[in-house]
Amino acid sequence: DTGVSQNPRHKITKRGQNVTFRCDPISEHNRLYWYRQTLGQGPEFLTYFQNEAQLEKSRLLSDRFSAERPKGSFSTLEIQRTEQGDSAMYLCASTDTSKAEQYFGPGTRLTVT
Amino acid sequence: RKEVEQDPGPFNVPEGATVAFNCTYSNSASQSFFWYRQDCRKEPKLLMSVYSSGNEDGRFTAQLNRASQYISLLIRDSKLSDSATYLCVVNTGGFKTIFGAGTRLFVKA
Repeated sequence: DTGVSQNPRHKITKRGQNVTFRCDPISEHNRLYWYRQTLGQGPEFLTYFQNEAQLEKSRLLSDRFSAERPKGSFSTLEIQRTEQGDSAMYLCASTDTSKAEQYFGPGTRLTVT
Repeated sequence: RKEVEQDPGPFNVPEGATVAFNCTYSNSASQSFFWYRQDCRKEPKLLMSVYSSGNEDGRFTAQLNRASQYISLLIRDSKLSDSATYLCVVNTGGFKTIFGAGTRLFVKA
């Protein structure tokens, strides 16, 4: 399967703990996005990478959130000191420079208790 | 005002019906437009791009009206399997992509 993959698929954590999610984009795609989606809403943009460079971060992304894409391939999203309001589906999408349509991974569903 | 607005629905239609969704966007400089489909607790999947001249893919037809800043999706001969949330997506150039909150469709036998 050459689609976008994300791990883990589900994460339950206690408030105050740190969590890290991984995204492996489609191999030839140089653009990678992270989104957050809550019930009844569309995906909300969090951050964007072109190759290894993080070019944009949403105001939604507080200082507790950090994302990396060290070699321009897979990416990680870390949330420190999780809060109950962080509970959501975290989606990763990728595309290449010549296209605007994005392809999504299955998401990581985070529940903070 | 949200940058991309959709009627949340739900739209409840019988099998075989024709149903249409509209979506409005606020940025007149928007460049690319898409419809995505999202099943419950699944990731969004690209349904179709929307071209200026309108385009059709089987039972699905998408239209773009730049003057009024809206796009539409028409589904003919609805199937039970069409039940999903339909997300309107607008790209304003470069990386910036805005998703609507989605329109829920239920197709009933």
